[in-house]
Amino acid sequence: DGGITQSPKYLFRKEGQNVTLSCEQNLNHDAMYWYRQDPGQGLRLIYYSQIVNDFQKGDIAEGYSVSREKKESFPLTVTSAQKNPTAFYLCASSISDRGHEQYFGPGTRLTVT
Amino acid sequence: GQQLNQSPQSMFIQEGEDVSMNCTSSSIFNTWLWYKQDPGEGPVLLIALYKAGELTSNGRLTAQFGITRKDSFLNISASIPSDVGIYFCAGGNTNAGKSTFGDGTTLTVKP
Repeated sequence: DGGITQSPKYLFRKEGQNVTLSCEQNLNHDAMYWYRQDPGQGLRLIYYSQIVNDFQKGDIAEGYSVSREKKESFPLTVTSAQKNPTAFYLCASSISDRGHEQYFGPGTRLTVT
Repeated sequence: GQQLNQSPQSMFIQEGEDVSMNCTSSSIFNTWLWYKQDPGEGPVLLIALYKAGELTSNGRLTAQFGITRKDSFLNISASIPSDVGIYFCAGGNTNAGKSTFGDGTTLTVKP
């Protein structure tokens, strides 16, 4: 089955620790995205990548880092510099020439205490 | 950056009623999309619109790309309990590489 996967579904970390969220897709999509969603709020773009080995900051990139070494994978690291990391994180991908039709993963809920 | 105003913020309706929601922008988009998010899941694409004035249906859902390119509308007819969720609009422009999302409309359907 083609799709986009995020693991784990729930993640707990202590304050001050870096944590990496995984995102994998087998849709052969060029572009991948990371969003943050807080309770009762919309989607805020953290980082996006239109091609392997290239990525751009979104609206709220501070305290986060990404890599895009393979087309299928776009991991997100939440660093200790992120002041309020507890949130629901969503990964998405899209075909490059229809970049606005995004396919989302199931999300990872990160809780930092 | 570009911002989308999505309204209403929330809706409480009775099963069987029709629903209308809309999205407006101060900027022009050449693509409008509508997504639905079930609780605790990722959003799913419902309808994509690529032409000003375009009206597209997907089952009980109908969406329109406004003539001015600054707005879009989503209608749901004869709502059912599984329509519950958050509906997001998104706008995009060619070669922008990313979409701009609205804050969502939360729909509650009472049986």
